[in-house]
Amino acid sequence: GAVVSQHPSWVICKSGTSVKIECRSLDFQATTMFWYRQFPKQSLMLMATSNEGSKATYEQGVEKDKFLINHASLTLSTLTVTSAHPEDSSFYICSGRQPGRETQYFGPGTRLLVL
Amino acid sequence: TQLLEQSPQFLSIQEGENLTVYCNSSSVFSSLQWYRQEPGEGPVLLVTVVTGGEVKKLKRLTFQFGDARKDSSLHITAAQPGDTGLYLCAGSRAGGTSYGKLTFGQGTILTVHP
Repeated sequence: GAVVSQHPSWVICKSGTSVKIECRSLDFQATTMFWYRQFPKQSLMLMATSNEGSKATYEQGVEKDKFLINHASLTLSTLTVTSAHPEDSSFYICSGRQPGRETQYFGPGTRLLVL
Repeated sequence: TQLLEQSPQFLSIQEGENLTVYCNSSSVFSSLQWYRQEPGEGPVLLVTVVTGGEVKKLKRLTFQFGDARKDSSLHITAAQPGDTGLYLCAGSRAGGTSYGKLTFGQGTILTVHP
């Protein structure tokens, strides 16, 4: 149980385009989902917290207009990287948390390469 | 400021050796989780510890949560090449604005040589 999927698993795009990444909880309802960014051989950096039906809360230094997050249902959250640039290239990981529980279950990640 | 200090950051050992990874903080956590991550994949949950002094075992892995719930350790006995990966500790705090968020340690890259 507690499986989270992400789509796509990898994406290559041109600079200036927008990219949408989906995060789905497959066998549980995730009232809260988190989006992380990870650089090679480093730990995870929290970007934002999204609660179903409300606006996302962004961490300090993360541009909310750059990284649009939508959590429209209890099983789906999306991250849209708008007007992507090469410095946005990274490994993006989402996680889901059940109501009342502290454990987060992570997706397999999406590798984004912006040319 | 890193709230959860994880050490060592790199560990290269021979198959059959034992090792311990530490996570320390000045903050109290309501729970602490350990994850293992392989390149190009998401972190996989190994264990969650919630009670001060708690010890959990998962085959050759032993996890301990400090009595004050500020620190934790992961001990691997007789390491195998399949244990190679990035190990992450992450703490969750009970209340305030940080509720539900995980504070991650820097990670430990473990390489076990055959």
